[in-house]
Amino acid sequence: QLVLTQSPSASASLGASVKLTCTLSSGHSSYAIAWHQQQPQKGPRYLMKLNTDGSHSKGDGIPDRFSGSSSGAERYLTISSLQSEDEADYYCQTWGTGFNWVFGGGTKLTVL
Amino acid sequence: EVQLLESGGGLVQPGGSLRLSCAASGFTFSTYAMSWVRQAPGKGLEWVSVISGSGGSTHYADSVKGRFTISRDNSKNTLYLQMNSLTAEDTAVYHCAKGEDAYRLYDAFDIWGQGTMVIVSS
Repeated sequence: QLVLTQSPSASASLGASVKLTCTLSSGHSSYAIAWHQQQPQKGPRYLMKLNTDGSHSKGDGIPDRFSGSSSGAERYLTISSLQSEDEADYYCQTWGTGFNWVFGGGTKLTVL
Repeated sequence: EVQLLESGGGLVQPGGSLRLSCAASGFTFSTYAMSWVRQAPGKGLEWVSVISGSGGSTHYADSVKGRFTISRDNSKNTLYLQMNSLTAEDTAVYHCAKGEDAYRLYDAFDIWGQGTMVIVSS
């Protein structure tokens, strides 16, 4: 059973950086993931696909302030130069035969 | 501009049925797998169902298997979700989502719709 684990909440100051983590369950560290942003009262927005080697491909129009990296079973989303509009829920997602699509529980990011 | 627009949500009684639609534009609809993803009030995202570009392959989450049917009309660039035997646990915003790469069933979702609300209540 593949599970994606995210911290429920995170916070950082305006203009600072924050690193969000998504952890793949044991035995599944080789899977790519995607990061999505959901601002209040809006549909999700695709940010990027993040591969095991840390390489990533971003969605159209996603600012350079958003970047991804990987280490073992952990996948990271780093947001630099935080802006007020970055306050949102962030979800990681993975996919594959046998389990189809799985989402993490989401991290609520507060910009102070 | 690539766009997905859901419709068909509303209030339905337990045991009732509803059909959701998702109108797609801005891309070659027939070459991409499409999914439905739902979000219960105050909760996270839950994948519901997927259909391949041709419509020949479908998969469902265990929570909806046997009750929901996904389909598509490529001539109308429209995705559907027929929902039967609805329960309160099906109350959620339902989003349609596009697979990132053409001709690939399992992939990230790179385009999302705003969603349509389904409320199951007597």
